[in-house]
Order: sequence, then structure tokens, then C-alpha cells
Amino acid sequence: DGGITQSPKYLFRKEGQNVTLSCEQNLNHDAMYWYRQDPGQGLRLIYYSQIVNDFQKGDIAEGYSVSREKKESFPLTVTSAQKNPTAFYLCASGQGAYNEQFFGPGTRLTVL
Amino acid sequence: QQQVKQSPQSLIVQKGGISIINCAYENTAFDYFPWYQQFPGKGPALLIAIRPDVSEKKEGRFTISFNKSAKQFSLHIMDSQPGDSATYFCAARPPGTYKYIFGTGTRLKVLA
Repeated sequence: DGGITQSPKYLFRKEGQNVTLSCEQNLNHDAMYWYRQDPGQGLRLIYYSQIVNDFQKGDIAEGYSVSREKKESFPLTVTSAQKNPTAFYLCASGQGAYNEQFFGPGTRLTVL
Repeated sequence: QQQVKQSPQSLIVQKGGISIINCAYENTAFDYFPWYQQFPGKGPALLIAIRPDVSEKKEGRFTISFNKSAKQFSLHIMDSQPGDSATYFCAARPPGTYKYIFGTGTRLKVLA
């Protein structure tokens, strides 16, 4: 069953804590992405990675960090430096001539 | 120049009617234009996509119309059904990049 999995589905964090969101794909896609979605808003790119051991900042990278040690995995850490981390986080992977992106089910992070 | 402007923000359509969502862009170099469908609490799903050398693409009840001279593209949902009620995002790809520029989304509600 190919696809993208994100865990956990819901995550609660206290202020000042770092938290890591998991993203795994078995589509054998080279590129992976993290987006943030706020209520009623579009998708904002946090980080993306074109290949293993390489990644680039997106439009809103401050307060976030990533790693890409394996092709199938692209975890996102939301650090305490992120001032407003409560949001819906979406992971995606992409492949092909136009790098069509396919999204995971999302993780909803709430800071208490 | 890297923006994609999507309208309307929300749309209410009667069952069986036609839903039309529009997107406009400035960068004539964009080379791929997908549409995504997102249900509440889920990740976006790729619905249909078009290249700029094609004026129209149809998949079932979903059609993309592309007007290169006007720098606009539209999603038409024929015979709209209550199950089509979702948020729709358009996107555009700058050439040679791994990133997409997303519209802000249209919340569609189809009344039974």
C-alpha cells in the first residue's frame, strides 16, 4: 500500500518544548516537502528536500528544522523558537517531469 | 510575480449545478498547473493538472480551462454533488524548480 504517512495525527505541546513530526513515504520519490496550513489559509512552504542529505528553506523556515538522512523519511522539528506553532502540518513528496506533489494526511499540532 | 490569485474565496452551488473556480497568475514562465481537493482534516489530493500548451483537460466531471493570453486557468465541476464539498487549491510551478506556488483556496459547498 503505497503512500505517505504522517504521525502522530494529533499532537499537543507545552510552550517551550521542541516536538518532532514524522513523515515517511514508500513512493520512492526523491523530493519531500513540509507545509504549514492555518485555518482558512493556503499552504505555506516550510522546508523542502530534493535529495538525501540536502534540504532548502521555504518561505517560513524560522523556528523549524529538518533532516533527510533517508530517502523515505523527512522529519520536521518544531522548536521553541517558533512563536505561533499551532497549525495543521502537511508533508508531501514529489516525482516526475513536473514534480507533482502528493500529500500525507497531516498532523494537527496544538500548543497548550 | 510569483503569486497565484484564486477566487472566489467561497462558493455555494446547488446540486447538479456547475462550480467554477478561477486562478490568475503573472509569471508567464510557469509550466504546470495542478488543482488539489482537500476535505476537512485531510491532506490535499491531486485532482487534475494541465500544461500551458493545452487549452482544456477533462477528467470525469472535472475540467481545467487554460487561457494563456489572459494568464488564467479555471476548474469547472460539472453536475456538482454534495460529496464535492471541499476546499480546492490551484497551484503553479516555476520552471526548473521543485516548488509550487499555491492559491489561497476556495471553500465549495454543494447544497443537496
